[in-house]
Amino acid sequence: DAGVTQSPTHLIKTRGQQVTLRCSPKSGHDTVSWYQQALGQGPQFIFQYYEEEERQRGNFPDRFSGHQFPNYSSELNVNALLLGDSALYLCASSLDGTRSGNTIYFGEGSWLTVV
Amino acid sequence: AQTVTQSQPEMSVQEAETVTLSCTYDTSESDYYLFWYKQPPSRQMILVIRQEAYKQQNATENRFSVNFQKAAKSFSLKISDSQLGDAAMYFCAYRSAVLDKTGANNLFFGTGTRLTVIP
Repeated sequence: DAGVTQSPTHLIKTRGQQVTLRCSPKSGHDTVSWYQQALGQGPQFIFQYYEEEERQRGNFPDRFSGHQFPNYSSELNVNALLLGDSALYLCASSLDGTRSGNTIYFGEGSWLTVV
Repeated sequence: AQTVTQSQPEMSVQEAETVTLSCTYDTSESDYYLFWYKQPPSRQMILVIRQEAYKQQNATENRFSVNFQKAAKSFSLKISDSQLGDAAMYFCAYRSAVLDKTGANNLFFGTGTRLTVIP
């Protein structure tokens, strides 16, 4: 049973460029969330996707956008990259439920460096 | 908004000894979940233990146990018989138990505690 998988593992981009990060959720999971983890910090919630729609968003600018596909996989897009966007981007998946107690599983992350 | 505070940036423990990591949180909610996640150098967040706020009994998972003090909004993690493989960043996290109007909620993390295990 594959867990949450993310790609690419590492990438380097230049300021102003655009980047796309990809995530496949754990088998059977239908909800995908993205988190940004800056160096030395805890992860910060970016947004969550369910049924191919963004249903909750953290305090991140519109430069951060995403998509969820019918197979529940997801992409995170960041436009007009800034140096401050350098971080580890974590994807998390879970099974939607009436309460929030379902276990959340994380991928190993995509490390983005903006130069 | 909920906040989670970990006041110990770094901790160290001798192998086979016991160590306690501290976490406090702030919320006006009464129904929520608290978590401890471990993040080794591989960067993957691994769930260590989970506590449901409406349960008074402290959660335990093998060598890991918590001391949950709801009134004090404190949630510490005790690691017994520490092993070299326990060395990692440990994050305390909060999640509301009640879904918001969108049907979603998210995890709020502390800034982490780096645990070093000394052989």
